[in-house]
Amino acid sequence: NAGVTQTPKFQVLKTGQSMTLQCAQDMNHNSMYWYRQDPGMGLRLIYYSASEGTTDKGEVPNGYNVSRLNKREFSLRLESAAPSQTSVYFCASSERELNTGELFFGEGSRLTVL
Amino acid sequence: GNSVTQMEGPVTLSEEAFLTINCTYTATGYPSLFWYVQYPGEGLQLLLKATKADDKGSNKGFEATYRKETTSFHLEKGSVQVSDSAVYFCALSETGNQFYFGTGTSLTVIP
Repeated sequence: NAGVTQTPKFQVLKTGQSMTLQCAQDMNHNSMYWYRQDPGMGLRLIYYSASEGTTDKGEVPNGYNVSRLNKREFSLRLESAAPSQTSVYFCASSERELNTGELFFGEGSRLTVL
Repeated sequence: GNSVTQMEGPVTLSEEAFLTINCTYTATGYPSLFWYVQYPGEGLQLLLKATKADDKGSNKGFEATYRKETTSFHLEKGSVQVSDSAVYFCALSETGNQFYFGTGTSLTVIP
């Protein structure tokens, strides 16, 4: 059982380039999330999707777009990368209806923007 | 609004020492509270949780009690091991859709 899978694990971009981070979960969860982790800042929510077909902004959505492709997949796109987007990105999923309240995280994607 | 404040790190302890990591929260309603742990190079994983006041969450020797009167959820362990070295995050969720995390506390346990 893979859980939450993110790709790529590492990426280096130049300022202005675009890229998409992919995330897939095999736990049949309705809710999926994208967080970024920065030193001294903890985890900050970028976007989340409470169910297939819906997406909502989190705390730091500027510069990002998301797509909930189907129940399994939730991608994060940087259209024009900036050095401020250098971070570790985590995808997570949860099953709100079961009221477990637990988030399941992927292993993270480390992005460097030069 | 909702927020979580946790003890600044890093924390360095000797093996078998007692651990406390403080966490306080602000919430508009009645949140569930969580401690997540992140081992080096990995994603976060749930360590323990409590869903209502006075509940105690426990796992792997770690404990935390949901204190509504002090809006706190401090993490404790009686005797830490080298394998407990990690970053610990306190978090809350009211709706199950949005989770609010503290900034994380890095723990290093030395033999």
